[in-house]
Amino acid sequence: GENVEQHPSTLSVQEGDSAVIKCTYSDSASNYFPWYKQELGKRPQLIIDIRSNVGEKKDQRIAVTLNKTAKHFSLHITETQPEDSAVYFCAASWNAGNMLTFGGGTRLMVKP
Amino acid sequence: DAGVTQSPTHLIKTRGQQVTLRCSPKSGHDTVSWYQQALGQGPQFIFQYYEEEERQRGNFPDRFSGHQFPNYSSELNVNALLLGDSALYLCASSLGQGASEEQYFGPGTRLTVT
Repeated sequence: GENVEQHPSTLSVQEGDSAVIKCTYSDSASNYFPWYKQELGKRPQLIIDIRSNVGEKKDQRIAVTLNKTAKHFSLHITETQPEDSAVYFCAASWNAGNMLTFGGGTRLMVKP
Repeated sequence: DAGVTQSPTHLIKTRGQQVTLRCSPKSGHDTVSWYQQALGQGPQFIFQYYEEEERQRGNFPDRFSGHQFPNYSSELNVNALLLGDSALYLCASSLGQGASEEQYFGPGTRLTVT
């Protein structure tokens, strides 16, 4: 089955700096790669996703890149703000509505 | 537009007991997936229900079972609870099995087994 690894497990940045979180996946059949933000005690919320026919996608301060050949994808957050502090999870699936395999999560701390 | 709802919010059970968790999908959605999230870990897929049948299953023992009702709501049942079953149980809904639309997560049920 699919296996998703996520790095780093914790990331501390200064407000205004950029943050990068990286994930690798094992199943070449996976074609949908969402990123979720989970604040303490709350539900995971989709912040951005990318499908295998696209190499990069941006939404304001957030961007995701996908390298299908290397089987890795990354989340980039620019101009970080304290409210970006949360746990971020990457996931992979062979279609958006199918079972998601999650990475272990990255705790992002943005220091004011 | 109602989002995904789950009940109860919190639950405390004793080892060996049985528990039932409930989920109502987002309005317009017909597929429900269940995930287990242990503390400090990513969610793990338990199973998915579509058209009242289990369609996909993760690596969980058959102590974990479920049901989907005609109104698309779903239940997760766990028998013979173990201490290791303590976790946040998340329900996610989507439209159509294997569809291209994203899954929306509910707030979860925090289960503590003592």
